[in-house]
Amino acid sequence: QQQVKQSPQSLIVQKGGISIINCAYENTAFDYFPWYQQFPGKGPALLIAIRPDVSEKKEGRFTISFNKSAKQFSLHIMDSQPGDSATYFCAASMKVNNYGQNFVFGPGTRLSVLP
Amino acid sequence: GAVVSQHPSWVICKSGTSVKIECRSLDFQATTMFWYRQFPKQSLMLMATSNEGSKATYEQGVEKDKFLINHASLTLSTLTVTSAHPEDSSFYICSASRDRTYGNQPQHFGDGTRLSIL
Repeated sequence: QQQVKQSPQSLIVQKGGISIINCAYENTAFDYFPWYQQFPGKGPALLIAIRPDVSEKKEGRFTISFNKSAKQFSLHIMDSQPGDSATYFCAASMKVNNYGQNFVFGPGTRLSVLP
Repeated sequence: GAVVSQHPSWVICKSGTSVKIECRSLDFQATTMFWYRQFPKQSLMLMATSNEGSKATYEQGVEKDKFLINHASLTLSTLTVTSAHPEDSSFYICSASRDRTYGNQPQHFGDGTRLSIL
C-alpha cells in the first residue's frame, strides 16, 4: 500500500515532442504529490507538485494531471528539449504526527530527448 | 529559497575509517531530514528519517550502529559511516523539509556525496 508505481522505466522523445510519465498509488492517505528531476551526479530537484483537490497544475512547460478516483497522476513535458534529459521521480507524501510527513518515491523514469 | 547544502560532495578513504557527511538547510528550518542511498541508475533508497532533537528512525535493513545520524539543530544533520568498507561505497543524498503544520511541504535535496571506500 505504500508503493508508488511509475512508468515507463525509460522514455525517448524527439525534440519538441511531449514526454508523458505516469504514476499510480494505492494508499488514499497520500495527500501531496511532488515530482523531482535528477541530473547525473546531482541530487533531485523539486519540479512541480500537486494536491489531490486539484486536477491539473501547470508551470511553464510542465503539467501535472491528477485523477483522484483512479489514484493516478502524470507529468507532461511539452515541447521537450535535450536539456530535459534526466531521471524523473514521482513521489507521494502523507502526514505523520503533528508536523512531519513520509514520502514514497517511484522507481524513476530516464528521459532522453533527441536533438 | 529552500537550499540544502551537503558536504563533502566527494570523498575517498581507506577501508576501516569513519566518514562524516553534513547536511545543512541554508535558508529554512528543517523539522525533518532524510538520508538516502542511491545506486547507479536506481531509485532513492530511504535509509533513515530524523526529526530535530529526536533519535533517527531507520528503515528496515539499515544498521543504525553503522550509519550514525545526528539531527542536533533545525539546520544541520550529519550522517557518519562508521568503519566503512568497500560495500558502503555509494551516492548518499540528504534532504530536508519544513514543519508540515503550515501545509504540505516538499523535500529539498542536497547535491549528494559520492563515497568511495578503497
